[in-house]
Amino acid sequence: GAGVSQTPSNKVTEKGKYVELRCDPISGHTALYWYRQSLGQGPEFLIYFQGTGAADDSGLPNDRFFAVRPEGSVSTLKIQRTERGDSAVYLCASSSYGPGELFFGEGSRLTVL
Amino acid sequence: GEDVEQSLFLSVREGDSSVINCTYTDSSSTYLYWYKQEPGAGLQLLTYIFSNMDMKQDQRLTVLLNKKDKHLSLRIADTQTGDSAIYFCAESMKEYGNKLVFGAGTILRVKS
Repeated sequence: GAGVSQTPSNKVTEKGKYVELRCDPISGHTALYWYRQSLGQGPEFLIYFQGTGAADDSGLPNDRFFAVRPEGSVSTLKIQRTERGDSAVYLCASSSYGPGELFFGEGSRLTVL
Repeated sequence: GEDVEQSLFLSVREGDSSVINCTYTDSSSTYLYWYKQEPGAGLQLLTYIFSNMDMKQDQRLTVLLNKKDKHLSLRIADTQTGDSAIYFCAESMKEYGNKLVFGAGTILRVKS
């Protein structure tokens, strides 16, 4: 596709459930990023992939959060035993190697009841 | 540590200039960015400046960087109602790929 695609756009779940959020980056982009944006805040870094490997996962808040990118393209962010505090918009971005522009998707809005 | 701060809100009249300010704390920042976020839309890169520059101009946008004071500003000339959005300042270090640290955003409201 032309841009970064994220699905689902909206997800409502109950406390304690498992959630998967998907990101389809721009074709050919080697770097992929996950950010989390809470209401009234700027995006907060979670994890960064260069190819298939997580180059930096220092932003993952705890071990309930995990992300994969098995073939170096699509990535899935997985959240186990969701808590109400996980409610936020989860943003994915991709870029080609080197400094420059990150292209962001429109985000997946997660609401944990 | 990394910290980026911005004022929360700016209101201007259509046709006036807008100046959005940002301060950052990490002196090893390599690139500094301005992103725009409209309601229900993703973040859009407006412009970025390399840390060895002090000014960059792109059509109606002018970015000024004062590296000594760790101060970054975005000036929008002839502000239009379509410029109403949230503007985020962000910094990154090349050594960490494009891992960006964002400020909380400045809400720009343009009154017609």
